[in-house]
Amino acid sequence: AQSVTQPDIHITVSEGASLELRCNYSYGATPYLFWYVQSPGQGLQLLLKYFSGDTLVQGIKGFEAEFKRSQSSFNLRKPSVHWSDAAEYFCAVWGGNEKLTFGTGTRLTIIP
Amino acid sequence: GAVVSQHPSRVICKSGTSVKIECRSLDFQATTMFWYRQFPKQSLMLMATSNEGSKATYEQGVEKDKFLINHASLTLSTLTVTSAHPEDSSFYICSASGRGIEQYFGPGTRLTVT
Repeated sequence: AQSVTQPDIHITVSEGASLELRCNYSYGATPYLFWYVQSPGQGLQLLLKYFSGDTLVQGIKGFEAEFKRSQSSFNLRKPSVHWSDAAEYFCAVWGGNEKLTFGTGTRLTIIP
Repeated sequence: GAVVSQHPSRVICKSGTSVKIECRSLDFQATTMFWYRQFPKQSLMLMATSNEGSKATYEQGVEKDKFLINHASLTLSTLTVTSAHPEDSSFYICSASGRGIEQYFGPGTRLTVT
């Protein structure tokens, strides 16, 4: 069965600074990978996804992620964060059991 | 495109009563719908998967008789929490997928059982 690890429970970043959120997955074959963002009391919004092809994927709101098979990672990056980026971020993998498995999430706090 | 709505967004009910949550795909046909539960500051846990016209498939540990799921049409799935108790209080999120694997999530329903 697939699994996802997000090692950082909480990250604090200054507004305008760069951001990297870590995600490691476990799955025997090539996974389908997703990053979602959740604001408090809201549902999930898809930021970006990787199915195949170019390992650097661009998403909405200026986010990008890079799939590294050798490291089983799919880290999310943004060159300059905005206060509105404060939220919970979830990495997810879709595997052969036709289910999405989510990581435990990383809460992002932005300080002025 | 690919909008999923949930109703209600918040509901408070008394212990022992039942409450129904609706999940609708507004602009696409959802062959599969998923129901998740999320506890405060935790991740989403899949409760069940439902395909239109079929019985839902529940995850291990999820009580089928307590969480009744109906997927009667390609745009509507409902989750009924029967005989609700305070421990059922949670944030319930549905998602829907069409022909592909991508899931589109609803805004969630906050259930509080008093």
